[in-house]
Amino acid sequence: GAVVSQHPSWVICKSGTSVKIECRSLDFQATTMFWYRQFPKQSLMLMATSNEGSKATYEQGVEKDKFLINHASLTLSTLTVTSAHPEDSSFYICSARDSTSGWAETQYFGPGTRLLVL
Amino acid sequence: AQSVTQPDIHITVSEGASLELRCNYSYGATPYLFWYVQSPGQGLQLLLKYFSGDTLVQGIKGFEAEFKRSQSSFNLRKPSVHWSDAAEYFCAVGGTNAGKSTFGDGTTLTVKP
Repeated sequence: GAVVSQHPSWVICKSGTSVKIECRSLDFQATTMFWYRQFPKQSLMLMATSNEGSKATYEQGVEKDKFLINHASLTLSTLTVTSAHPEDSSFYICSARDSTSGWAETQYFGPGTRLLVL
Repeated sequence: AQSVTQPDIHITVSEGASLELRCNYSYGATPYLFWYVQSPGQGLQLLLKYFSGDTLVQGIKGFEAEFKRSQSSFNLRKPSVHWSDAAEYFCAVGGTNAGKSTFGDGTTLTVKP
C-alpha cells in the first residue's frame, strides 16, 4: 500500500514551452501533497504544499506563476512548469500524506520526474 | 524553525561492517523524525519514523534508529551492511506545521566489497 506515482518519469522540452507533471496516490486519499525540487547531489527543497480543493501554498522564493499547482481530486495533483527555461531543469519529486491514516505526518514519495529544458 | 544536520557528507564502509549515520535536529517541540533512502534517479523510500514512545525504532531492511532528546539526535544504524545499501540517506524532521518536513543535506553511503 501507500504507493505514489509520477508521470512522466522523464521529459525533455524546448525553452519557452510548458510541462505538466502528474502526481497520483494510487491506493489512498491524499488531501495534502507536496512538491519538491532536487538538484544533483543536493537535498530536497520544498516548493509548495498542494491542498485538495484549494490554492497551493508556496514556499518563500518560489514563483507561483511559474510553477502552477492544481490539486483537483483526492488522488491527483499536477505541477505545471510554465515557459520553462534551462535553469528549471531539475528532478521534481512529489509526496502525499495519507490523511486517513493514524500516521498522518508520514509522507509517501513518488519516484520523481527528471526535467531537462534545452 | 526546524532544521536538520547530517554531519557526514560521505561514508564508506566495507560490506558486512556496521553502520551509523548521524542526524541532529532542531525543533521547538517533540519532533516527528524520519529516515529515508534514495537510490540514484529514484524517489525516497521511508526506512523508519519516530513519533513517540520507544526511543529505539526498528525499520525496514534491518535498519534501526535511536531518538535521544538530550542530544537532539536520531542516528541511523545497521549491524551489517550489504552492497545493496549503497545509496543516499536523508534524515528529516517534521511536525504539525501543515505536515511539512525539513530534510538534511543527505549522506552518501558507499559499500566496499
